[in-house]
Amino acid sequence: AQSVTQPDIHITVSEGASLELRCNYSYGATPYLFWYVQSPGQGLQLLLKYFSGDTLVQGIKGFEAEFKRSQSSFNLRKPSVHWSDAAEYFCAVASGSGGYNKLIFGAGTRLAVHP
Amino acid sequence: GAVVSQHPSRVICKSGTSVKIECRSLDFQATTMFWYRQFPKKSLMLMATSNEGSKATYEQGVEKDKFLINHASLTLSTLTVTSAHPEDSSFYICSASQRLGLGIIYEQYFGPGTRLTVT
Repeated sequence: AQSVTQPDIHITVSEGASLELRCNYSYGATPYLFWYVQSPGQGLQLLLKYFSGDTLVQGIKGFEAEFKRSQSSFNLRKPSVHWSDAAEYFCAVASGSGGYNKLIFGAGTRLAVHP
Repeated sequence: GAVVSQHPSRVICKSGTSVKIECRSLDFQATTMFWYRQFPKKSLMLMATSNEGSKATYEQGVEKDKFLINHASLTLSTLTVTSAHPEDSSFYICSASQRLGLGIIYEQYFGPGTRLTVT
């Protein structure tokens, strides 16, 4: 069965430091992967997605993610974190029969940013 | 970009009453709409998948008679929580799906969520 694991429940970084949020997936076929961000009391905003091609994907707000098939990973990175990046981050894989229309979410990683 | 709205953003109701939440895709026609429930500090739990003009498909463990879903058009889906109880209090999020090109890949656009409190 498809699944997504985000090993880190909570991460704290200092403003200006680099960030890496881990995501591992379990999926038999070619995975279609997403990273979303959720601010408190809000819906989800898409940061970036990977469907095919270049394994390093650029997203919004300075985020990037690298797809590594050999490690079944799709880690999210940012070289310099801003205080406004404090939020909940969800990794997801698309699945479904007849089309990749369902999303399976990881448990999320809550990011806190220290000034 | 694609925008999805939800109404209301916040609702408080008394135990035993019903509450309707609307989800609209504002600038595109959605192939499918999804309803999620999110508990505090938890991930999103898919409740049901809704296609326009057909019955919703509920995930295992979700009571279809309690959570009524109507998908009247390609831009509107509603979730009605019937005979609400305090344990139904939660954050409900909808999403609308759009096919990317002619392929089999879809992208979901999420609404801002509805906070339901049942007293």
